[in-house]
Amino acid sequence: ELKVEQNPLFLSMQEGKNYTIYCNYSTTSDRLYWYRQDPGKSLESLFVLLSNGAVKQEGRLMASLDTKARLSTLHITAAVHDLSATYFCAGGPFGNEKLTFGTGTRLTIIP
Amino acid sequence: GAVVSQHPSWVICKSGTSVKIECRSLDFQATTMFWYRQFPKQSLMLMATSNEGSKATYEQGVEKDKFLINHASLTLSTLTVTSAHPEDSSFYICSARAASSPLHFGNGTRLTVT
Repeated sequence: ELKVEQNPLFLSMQEGKNYTIYCNYSTTSDRLYWYRQDPGKSLESLFVLLSNGAVKQEGRLMASLDTKARLSTLHITAAVHDLSATYFCAGGPFGNEKLTFGTGTRLTIIP
Repeated sequence: GAVVSQHPSWVICKSGTSVKIECRSLDFQATTMFWYRQFPKQSLMLMATSNEGSKATYEQGVEKDKFLINHASLTLSTLTVTSAHPEDSSFYICSARAASSPLHFGNGTRLTVT
C-alpha cells in the first residue's frame, strides 16, 4: 500500500525567501502530482511528474521527481504572499487514477 | 478545459436526514469518478471509486450503506450521505477523468450536520 508523507507540515516564511517542500513515498508510484488548495476551495493541479529526473517549472514553483529515492520536491523561489496555500503531493500507479495524498504542507508567506 | 461541477457547494442539514451531492463532468465523458472526504486541516481521503453502470468500489472503513454512490451516466455521479450525523460534517470532493486524460477535481461540497 502506497504511503505518502510530506515535510514540513506547516511552513511560515518571509516574502522573497526560498524553500523546498519534500514528498516521500513508500512504494513504486508511476506518477507524482502536486496540487494547491486555498482555504475552503478544491484542488488546483500544479504539476504531474511521470519519470525519474522529471523537472517542471511554473512561475516561482519548480517540482522534481527522483523515483530511485522515492522523493519529489516542490521548490519555492522568492516567495510572494499569493503563494500562501496548502500544497499536497499525491501518487499512484499507471492505469488507475486512485491517488494517495500526502499529509499536506500549509504554507504562509509573511510580507 | 475539462470542468467538473459539484452541487451544492455548501449544505447544512439536520442530524438524521439524508443529503445528496452531485458531481458532473461538463464537457467530457467520465467512466470513472472518485469521491474524497477532507476533514478540517487534514488531507484528502479516498472514499470510493465510482464506475459508470456498475457498483462503486469502497475503501476500507467506508460504510457502503451510509455513503450511497450512484453513477448512472457517463457525466453524473451522486453521493448520498444517509442518516447524516455531526461526525459526517466534512468537505467532500469528487474527481473525474476521461480516457487518457488527467484527473479534474470538482469545487467541493462543504457539509455541516447540526
